[in-house]
Parts: sequence; structure tokens; C-alpha cells
Amino acid sequence: QQQVKQSPQSLIVQKGGISIINCAYENTAFDYFPWYQQFPGKGPALLIAIRPDVSEKKEGRFTISFNKSAKQFSLHIMDSQPGDSATYFCAASIPPGGTSYGKLTFGQGTILTVHP
Amino acid sequence: EAGVAQSPRYKIIEKRQSVAFWCNPISGHATLYWYQQILGQGPKLLIQFQNNGVVDDSQLPKDRFSAERLKGVDSTLKIQPAKLEDSAVYLCASSLAAAIMNTEAFFGQGTRLTVV
Repeated sequence: QQQVKQSPQSLIVQKGGISIINCAYENTAFDYFPWYQQFPGKGPALLIAIRPDVSEKKEGRFTISFNKSAKQFSLHIMDSQPGDSATYFCAASIPPGGTSYGKLTFGQGTILTVHP
Repeated sequence: EAGVAQSPRYKIIEKRQSVAFWCNPISGHATLYWYQQILGQGPKLLIQFQNNGVVDDSQLPKDRFSAERLKGVDSTLKIQPAKLEDSAVYLCASSLAAAIMNTEAFFGQGTRLTVV
């Protein structure tokens, strides 16, 4: 019940295209859904995050769409650039009050390659 | 603001040897996490500290892994004896303790461990 399933495993997009990565979760107690970006040799860095009280959040070229009833959320990268080439992880965590709040349960990751 | 510092960056040891990793979180961050990231997978939480107390160590292989966070600041993670399957990147992360909602976790660059 703690799993977060992410797809696709890898994604190749042309420069200027839209990259879409999907995640699904089972635990309805999750209330914080961040996306992390990881470059080779670096630790994950927060890209954008959403809470379940909104259905969409946009920051620049990055948008999270959230479907609470379907227990799914996705990351859209508009106008994808070669510099966006990295591994992307979705994650989820439970709210304070439960045990180990703040603990991130990660998806398996998506390797994004943006061709020039 | 200085980020999460980890050392060493790389470590190669033989199986059955012991190894220790060190982490210095962002100043003022009460919560510290150790994650294990096996190649091609998302990070998996090993242990979570709140100040110097353990909040969650349910996925820590306690027969060989140990961790401590003295004085609620720096932390060390030890493996003794190491197995081949312990080869992974060990990520340290920290976050502000929040009573109301989860806050961003900041990751270090990680320590890449190779057990041969």
C-alpha cells in the first residue's frame, strides 16, 4: 500500500516537445506529492510539488496534474530542452501526526532524454 | 545557504568489510534521512531521525546497518559486514521539522558504495 508506481521507465523527446511522466499511488493517506529531478552524480532536487487540495500546479514549463479519485498524478514538461535530460522521480509522503511523516516513498524513476 | 554535505563521495570495499558514511545536514534542519538508491531504482528510506531520535528504521537491515545522530546534527551510517547487494548510492537528506505539513527534503550528492 506504500508503493508509488511510475511510468514510463524511459522517454525520448525532441527539443520543443512535451514530456509526460505518470505516477499512481495506493495509500490514500498520502498528502504531499513532489517531483524530483536527478542529474548523474547528483542527489535528487525538488522540481515541483502538489498537495491534494488542488488539481493542477504550474511552475514555468513544469506542470503537475493531480487526479485524487484515480489516485494518479503526472508531470508535464512543456517545450522540453536538452538541459531537461535527467532522471525524474515522483514521490509521496504522509502528513504529520502519523509515524515517520515526511518520509518520501519514491517511484522507480523515468530517464528523460531530450534530443536537440 | 550551504547544502547537505556527505563524505566520502566514493568508496570501494570488499565484502565482509565495514564502511561508514558521514552526513552534515543543512543548519537548523531537525529531520535527517538516510536513503539507499540502487542503480536504476528510486531511493528507499533506511532511517529517519527527528533531532537525535529515531522516527523510522523499519527498512534498516539492523543485523548489519547502524546509524546515529549525535547532538541532533551530524549523522553517520555504518555497514558491518558489507554484502555485494549493498552496492548502491547512499543519500542523506534533511528537512525542517513541520508540525502542520511536510516540507521540502534537500538531498546531498550521495556516497557511491561498491562492494566487490
